[in-house]
Amino acid sequence: NAGVTQTPKFQVLKTGQSMTLQCAQDMNHEYMSWYRQDPGMGLRLIHYSVGAGITDQGEVPNGYNVSRSTTEDFPLRLLSAAPSQTSVYFCASSYSTRGAWGYTFGSGTRLTVV
Amino acid sequence: QQPVQSPQAVILREGEDAVINCSSSKALYSVHWYRQKHGEAPVFLMILLKGGEQKGHEKISASFNEKKQQSSLYLTASQLSYSGTYFCGTEITSGSRLTFGEGTQLTVNP
Repeated sequence: NAGVTQTPKFQVLKTGQSMTLQCAQDMNHEYMSWYRQDPGMGLRLIHYSVGAGITDQGEVPNGYNVSRSTTEDFPLRLLSAAPSQTSVYFCASSYSTRGAWGYTFGSGTRLTVV
Repeated sequence: QQPVQSPQAVILREGEDAVINCSSSKALYSVHWYRQKHGEAPVFLMILLKGGEQKGHEKISASFNEKKQQSSLYLTASQLSYSGTYFCGTEITSGSRLTFGEGTQLTVNP
């Protein structure tokens, strides 16, 4: 099993550009989420999904869109990149949000906005 | 609400023990623990559900005090491979989103 696959691993964007960070899991996990990690601030939740067709906002959703058309894929779209969105982005999935299930994280996308 | 972790950083010699704490101002359903090595993704260590259940993972164990809304991660006889940043994540109810603390940086020296 590949687990959670994120692409690309690195990306440099110019201010105002848009792009999509890809996330795919092959574990038939119900729950998927996007976090950003900034120095000294831990992991902050951007958006999450409890199943295909269902998404909701996390702590820091502004400037980001998500969709979940299939169980496997959960792309994160940056609408108009800003330097404040420079961060490391992690996608995470879990079998279910109910019960005792840990999260599996992807390897991350390091994004720089100039 | 973000849980509070303490200490922010700890330095050990190989073989020493450490305790990392995670506190919340709200009643919790569960506490997760993850370890992240530099430049890598966080890796799941264990989960504790309300009820004060204690879980173990090799030489790493944890407890959850429901009355205090506090969890502690115990690392005994630390190894060099234990170095990294440890994060706790908390859920208020089953199915709610996981909120992470700011992390505790653990360094184990020879």
